[in-house]
Amino acid sequence: AQKVTQAQTEISVVEKEDVTLDCVYETRDTTYYLFWYKQPPSGELVFLIRRNSFDEQNEISGRYSWNFQKSTSSFNFTITASQVVDSAVYFCALSGDNQGGKLIFGQGTELSVKP
Amino acid sequence: KAGVTQTPRYLIKTRGQQVTLSCSPISGHRSVSWYQQTPGQGLQFLFEYFSETQRNKGNFPGRFSGRQFSNSRSEMNVSTLELGDSALYLCASSPATGVRGELFFGEGSRLTVL
Repeated sequence: AQKVTQAQTEISVVEKEDVTLDCVYETRDTTYYLFWYKQPPSGELVFLIRRNSFDEQNEISGRYSWNFQKSTSSFNFTITASQVVDSAVYFCALSGDNQGGKLIFGQGTELSVKP
Repeated sequence: KAGVTQTPRYLIKTRGQQVTLSCSPISGHRSVSWYQQTPGQGLQFLFEYFSETQRNKGNFPGRFSGRQFSNSRSEMNVSTLELGDSALYLCASSPATGVRGELFFGEGSRLTVL
């Protein structure tokens, strides 16, 4: 069975602090895909990143970076120099091969960035 | 380019009634997926449609059904509503099924069952 665990339910930081959101996944598939989505108060989920299981290279996009480690089944997300606009719920998700639009989501981490 | 549009945005129903939610995907997108989001269960996959065919289905009772039209617009229906069906229902579209790229989500339809 596939499972995604985001152990941090809520995180509160002060603006300009760095923050890391943890994600641990379980799957028996050799080919799979990992995602991070952001859900602002408006409700829609906004895609941030996708990694496939064969690409463990870390990625940086502006203030965002992702660390994928197959050895620990983790796909952590770091926001550097956080801003108030980063306040949202962040979801990690997993998709198996040939699963199309079916994603297994973690429970989400609510990030609050205070000025 | 217009995003994914879901209607209605908010609705209130009573137990036993049925409800139909609508989703218009991004122009050119042929795959539509539906998700239910509740505080207790989180985000759960309902089903996916591609070219008017259901391609994947989550673990929900038969009261939950959907369909897709030739213009890729999709509807989902919940019959005999229960209190536990109160949730945010999110629709997502993508260019094609089997593409593990990003899903584009709408803002959702928030259903309250009294």
